[in-house]
Amino acid sequence: GAVVSQHPSRVICKSGTSVKIECRSLDFQATTMFWYRQFPKQSLMLMATSNEGSKATYEQGVEKDKFLINHASLTLSTLTVTSAHPEDSSFYICSASQRGGQETQYFGPGTRLLVL
Amino acid sequence: SQQGEEDPQALSIQEGENATMNCSYKTSINNLQWYRQNSGRGLVHLILIRSNEREKHSGRLRVTLDTSKKSSSLLITASRAADTASYFCATRPPGGGNKLTFGTGTQLKVEL
Repeated sequence: GAVVSQHPSRVICKSGTSVKIECRSLDFQATTMFWYRQFPKQSLMLMATSNEGSKATYEQGVEKDKFLINHASLTLSTLTVTSAHPEDSSFYICSASQRGGQETQYFGPGTRLLVL
Repeated sequence: SQQGEEDPQALSIQEGENATMNCSYKTSINNLQWYRQNSGRGLVHLILIRSNEREKHSGRLRVTLDTSKKSSSLLITASRAADTASYFCATRPPGGGNKLTFGTGTQLKVEL
């Protein structure tokens, strides 16, 4: 149980375009989803916390208009990178916490974004 | 911001040897968790230790926590080539909330 999927797993896009990444909890209800960004050989940096039905909470330094997050249901959150630039190229990972579960986050497999 | 610093940054050992990774953090915690990440993949939760616990075991994993020193260690015994991965500690703050702050990670390579 507690499987989280991400789609797509890999995306290449042109500079200036927008890219949407989906994060789904497959077998549980996720009241909270988290979006992380990871550069090569570095740690995960939390970008934002997304609660179902409410606005996401962004970490300091993360542009909310650049990284749009929607968490419309208990099983789906989306991250849209708007007007992507090469410096947005990174590995984006989501995680989800079960309803009522406070301690364990279940991570998706990640999405590799390359902006040309 | 990075809460945890891990050392070593990279560790290379022979199969069968034990691997020890350390994590230090800066602020109070509710719990500390260890995750594993294979190259280019998502994270797998390994073990969680609460702030009132000092040691925990799970299979070949042993985790210690010293809240007075704000440090934790992960020991993998009898390592296997399949243990090759990056290992991260992550801390959860006290007072509720589910936000995790990750350490810098240790890249472990287990050679045959």
